[in-house]
Amino acid sequence: QSALTQPASVSGSPGQSITISCTGTSSDIGSYNLVSWYQHHPGKVPKLMIYEVSKRPSGVSNRFSGSKSGNTASLTISGLQAEDESDYYCCSYADGVTLIFGGGTKLTVL
Amino acid sequence: QVQLVQSGAEVTKPGASVRVSCRASGYAFTNYYLHWVRQAPGQGLEWMGWINPKSGNRNFGKKFQGRVIMTRDTSINTAYMELNTLRSDDTAVYYCARDLTDIMTTSAGAGYWGQGTLITVSS
Repeated sequence: QSALTQPASVSGSPGQSITISCTGTSSDIGSYNLVSWYQHHPGKVPKLMIYEVSKRPSGVSNRFSGSKSGNTASLTISGLQAEDESDYYCCSYADGVTLIFGGGTKLTVL
Repeated sequence: QVQLVQSGAEVTKPGASVRVSCRASGYAFTNYYLHWVRQAPGQGLEWMGWINPKSGNRNFGKKFQGRVIMTRDTSINTAYMELNTLRSDDTAVYYCARDLTDIMTTSAGAGYWGQGTLITVSS
């Protein structure tokens, strides 16, 4: 059971949009609409940003959006802000009983 | 408000076992899955498993099967994660986290997190 594949890093300038991809298999992302995304600032507790592929928990900015196509999920952040600089992790339900995280992506706001 | 309060940091030796507790408050404990997630130094988040507090049923990540035990005590709204045969690479911050939606419609998204418990494995 390998981790989902994410780019190690992405970057963007304030105001721009960026997309982080998360590639899995037909046993995880491809089979379930249970993909979530987390923002994790070092030293702090992870924060759920997206669940069930594209839903936002209460309080999460609508600048964050999620989508899925086949075995790949994506997180898009529009109107990039300095405070968005963080590590981002995708996570998917898998094999009918477990969850699996991606390796994480470091977002740098230039 | 939903709160998850974990036990404190521990230093332990290779080969030993450690148990982390997670006391829940502010919601109906038996109605939401609880996840356990860890992050080793310089590494990413790693899902260890989850427990259905109502039934006690649990599932684990393949890496942890045979080495992790997850239990709960519904009388005190507390979940426990025990990891056995510890190695140095088990040094990590361990989190409990509550699913965002209830057991009947699980989102598999962890919407509420404990503060984390640092477990250090060192001889």
